[in-house]
Amino acid sequence: GENVEQHPSTLSVQEGDSAVIKCTYSDSASNYFPWYKQELGKGPQLIIDIRSNVGEKKDQRIAVTLNKTAKHFSLHITETQPEDSAVYFCAASPNFGNEKLTFGTGTRLTIIP
Amino acid sequence: DADVTQTPRNRITKTGKRIMLECSQTKGHDRMYWYRQDPGLGLRLIYYSFDVKDINKGEISDGYSVSRQAQAKFSLSLESAIPNQTALYFCATSDPRRGGEKLFFGSGTQLSVL
Repeated sequence: GENVEQHPSTLSVQEGDSAVIKCTYSDSASNYFPWYKQELGKGPQLIIDIRSNVGEKKDQRIAVTLNKTAKHFSLHITETQPEDSAVYFCAASPNFGNEKLTFGTGTRLTIIP
Repeated sequence: DADVTQTPRNRITKTGKRIMLECSQTKGHDRMYWYRQDPGLGLRLIYYSFDVKDINKGEISDGYSVSRQAQAKFSLSLESAIPNQTALYFCATSDPRRGGEKLFFGSGTQLSVL
């Protein structure tokens, strides 16, 4: 089955700086890569996703890049703000569906004011 | 997300007890899921249901059962709880026809088995 590794497990950045979280996956058939943000006491919430036919996707201050050859994808957050503090999960799926979606182990991001 | 409601929010139980976690949704989505979250392990799928008559095992279904009572209700049962089932449990919904693969999660149930 799919194996998704996520690094780092914790990350602290100064407010205004950029944050990068990296994930690697093992199944070359994976074609859908979402990122979820989990705030304290809440369930995860989708913030951005990318499909294998696209190399990069942006939404305001967040972007995701995908390297299919190397089987890794990354989340980039620019101009970080205190409200970006949360746990972020990457995930990968081989069939655009959730029944085979494999999550990474999470990154706790702390923004230092 | 208030559209996916989980009850209870917290539960402490003893080894061997039967316990049910409930999930209801007002989003009108056909697909519902139960996930388990453990520190350092991310989220793992327990069961999923694509409609009332469709129930499927996920990655870690052993020790769990589910019931889809209606489109809006999906409950998770632990027939005989054991301490390693202590975890944070999430219910989620999706609708490929409207939201694509996006999962909408409830706020979770923290379960402790003593």
